[in-house]
Amino acid sequence: DTEVTQTPKHLVMGMTNKKSLKCEQHMGHRAMYWYKQKAKKPPELMFVYSYEKLSINESVPSRFSPECPNSSLLNLHLHALQPEDSALYLCASSQLYLGNEKLFFGSGTQLSVL
Amino acid sequence: DQQVKQNSPSLSVQEGRISILNCDYTNSMFDYFLWYKKYPAEGPTFLISISSIKDKNEDGRFTVFLNKSAKHLSLHIVPSQPGDSAVYFCAASPGAQKLVFGQGTRLTINP
Repeated sequence: DTEVTQTPKHLVMGMTNKKSLKCEQHMGHRAMYWYKQKAKKPPELMFVYSYEKLSINESVPSRFSPECPNSSLLNLHLHALQPEDSALYLCASSQLYLGNEKLFFGSGTQLSVL
Repeated sequence: DQQVKQNSPSLSVQEGRISILNCDYTNSMFDYFLWYKKYPAEGPTFLISISSIKDKNEDGRFTVFLNKSAKHLSLHIVPSQPGDSAVYFCAASPGAQKLVFGQGTRLTINP
């Protein structure tokens, strides 16, 4: 199984809503990532979890709250988002050893904030 | 400050010919380089990678070349096929689970 599964595929939310994005992998990877991609732009790193601990936070606003309940699951909790947060949110996973940051990406959640 | 640059936003190639996608980087700490392919509304798919200790890596129709002195890498696809039409991202890593992506090049293979 070489898949990273993300749900939902599409999400529309208002600025006062609370929602969560979910990501799951069963490759035994111990690093999991959230990336954000705006249209016609490259993916930008948001968060990295290593061994279920938050290891990198790229100065992301607190309205985005990541959670890693176990080694297979990664959530991104959303609250009070702005329209400019509309983007494709990508989850990825990788093995954890230096010199081989080969990430496996999910298909993403296309988020629209109204 | 864009550390990984793909200066060609688009490239059009005849089916059966060679496609060459280019990427430049500025950070000397990058030691691992990857190419990803992306279709619309999907996540990037890993294609091929190269470590900084090598200058070439080949996998089927795909070959990546690394020129460390010029801080330049390229992806060669030969022969090009219609299914290769996608956006190609170059990415580089200084280690520590950080990948920096270029802006992407949209490759179109014409029949």
